[in-house]
Amino acid sequence: GAVVSQHPSRVICKSGTSVKIECRSLDFQATTMFWYRQFPKKSLMLMATSNEGSKATYEQGVEKDKFLINHASLTLSTLTVTSAHPEDSSFYICSASYQGGNQPQHFGDGTRLSIL
Amino acid sequence: RKEVEQDPGPFNVPEGATVAFNCTYSNSASQSFFWYRQDCRKEPKLLMSVYSSGNEDGRFTAQLNRASQYISLLIRDSKLSDSATYLCVVLTNSGGYQKVTFGIGTKLQVIP
Repeated sequence: GAVVSQHPSRVICKSGTSVKIECRSLDFQATTMFWYRQFPKKSLMLMATSNEGSKATYEQGVEKDKFLINHASLTLSTLTVTSAHPEDSSFYICSASYQGGNQPQHFGDGTRLSIL
Repeated sequence: RKEVEQDPGPFNVPEGATVAFNCTYSNSASQSFFWYRQDCRKEPKLLMSVYSSGNEDGRFTAQLNRASQYISLLIRDSKLSDSATYLCVVLTNSGGYQKVTFGIGTKLQVIP
């Protein structure tokens, strides 16, 4: 089955640090990847849709200058949390599906970000 | 009205019981539907797609009712390992843009 790899799985860093999270589709090409965040005991919240070769589409209320998304190739999207603060601590998950639409999303393992 | 609605539960059921979850969606143009399972502090994992004709995978049965705009998941002979949160996911294509919407999830706790 489709495999999506996300790295790192765990990050602990000081306030003010920028953190980059990678999402790779290992055995298929993904023109679109999605980035979510999830707070404890809450549902997934879509942050942005990452489109290969073009700008990401951000959901309302998500700061694009805070959460930088780059989708430079069909197998890699990155999310950079710039100048992270404790309130950015969360579980971040990416997902991707096969090209062609109407396919289920396959998720990365998630990144647990803790800002001290 | 939320785009995708689920009862958050929790549903506490004894081992061996049959339990069913529903999920309603508001966009009649939605095209694809899925059930995911999420364990605590883990990423969601695809449980099954939901087809118009209904589909079954072992103890799990999924159904879609387009007229009433809901999907359902039935779990028979519940196991302790079925304890998890079950997420309803709706996929809508609009003008070439793919939108994925999650329900809040229904928590299931299977009790010995």
